[in-house]
Amino acid sequence: AQTVTQSQPEMSVQEAETVTLSCTYDTSESDYYLFWYKQPPSRQMILVIRQEAYKQQNATENRFSVNFQKAAKSFSLKISDSQLGDAAMYFCAYRRVTGNQFYFGTGTSLTVIP
Amino acid sequence: GAVVSQHPSRVICKSGTSVKIECRSLDFQATTMFWYRQFPKQSLMLMATSNEGSKATYEQGVEKDKFLINHASLTLSTLTVTSAHPEDSSFYICSARGQLAGAYEQYFGPGTRLTVT
Repeated sequence: AQTVTQSQPEMSVQEAETVTLSCTYDTSESDYYLFWYKQPPSRQMILVIRQEAYKQQNATENRFSVNFQKAAKSFSLKISDSQLGDAAMYFCAYRRVTGNQFYFGTGTSLTVIP
Repeated sequence: GAVVSQHPSRVICKSGTSVKIECRSLDFQATTMFWYRQFPKQSLMLMATSNEGSKATYEQGVEKDKFLINHASLTLSTLTVTSAHPEDSSFYICSARGQLAGAYEQYFGPGTRLTVT
């Protein structure tokens, strides 16, 4: 079974600074999808960014970007110019191309310090 | 964008009673819906996957007779917690996939907090 590991249960960052959240995964598949989801205190899951494994180029979405290292099975999320609204739980997730199931990491709680 | 709603947002029920949670895709047809359970400060645990018109597929360790899932239409799935007990208290989240929602994405509902007293 696929596993997704987030080794940082908690992180903090000063407002306007940059923070990187780590994620590693285990798979024998060559093609798959990776995601970062944000869960604010409202508990609504919000898609932050996604990456298709066949694409070498790292995905970016405004202040959010990923560092996708396929050989190392690493998928970190970089948040630039951190804002107070970025404070949330962040989950890394994996999905096979042919399957439906998402595999979620245990999450990283991000605090933004004003 | 694709919107998924859940009702109710929170519910309190007495031990031994049943409670139904609805999950609706508002602007797309959800061929597949998923039900997750999330304990405080923990990750989402997939409970079951349901496809419209067919029986749900339950994850290992999830009691299918206790957590009844019905996906009767392309826009509605329901989760019924039967004979609820305090240990069933949790946050339940549904998500949905459909062609309009994208080939690889799931869209999540806002969740339902169930408290069993």
